[in-house]
Amino acid sequence: EVQLVESGGGLVQPGGSLRLSCAASGFTFSGYWMSWVRQAPGKGLEWVANIKHDGSEKYYVDSVKGRFTISRDNAKNSLYLQMNSLRAEDTAVYYCVKSLAAPQEYWGQGTLVTVSS
Amino acid sequence: IQMTQSPSTLSASVGDRVTITCRASQSVSSWLAWYQQKPGKAPNLLIYQASSLETGVPSRFSGSGSGTEFTLTISSLQPDDFATYYCQQYNSYPWTFGQGTKVEIK
Repeated sequence: EVQLVESGGGLVQPGGSLRLSCAASGFTFSGYWMSWVRQAPGKGLEWVANIKHDGSEKYYVDSVKGRFTISRDNAKNSLYLQMNSLRAEDTAVYYCVKSLAAPQEYWGQGTLVTVSS
Repeated sequence: IQMTQSPSTLSASVGDRVTITCRASQSVSSWLAWYQQKPGKAPNLLIYQASSLETGVPSRFSGSGSGTEFTLTISSLQPDDFATYYCQQYNSYPWTFGQGTKVEIK
């Protein structure tokens, strides 16, 4: 059974940093593109970042470029999102996603990040 | 690429045929997906590549279109289908979602 379990969310002050983790199981993690998608409270979905199977390609939405870094450790079956210089508008539930928009896509349950003083 | 869904809200009854439209600001070929999301839950992929039904999704859901105009059709609305629906293009980065269409009980 595929499982994606996000962790690392919480309350952080503007300008602060947070590192989200996503522990994957039930599939060959190293064989799939992975993504982060976020959803601000009461708002729609926003794609944040993608990373290729081997980490050789990474893509970001413009609003997080230079502040967020997506990475993965295939030996640990884990996906990460390092978030720096956080802003109030980064407040959202962050979802870890396997194979976004492709067959056998799977979403984690999400982790809430709140940026507030 | 901007994705615009219409309507933003749709009131319908069980058994109705429902159509949601998604328009792209430029061609996305057939790289278009549709999702269903219920309150407090992660989204669920319904359709990928504009018209391919994800495994396990009921056949009352169908997708069509290419280029800049796409539709999601629910042939006979069921109680479990009251939710918010999103389209998403993955033709080019940054990938973008539509603003969502909430399907409510009439």
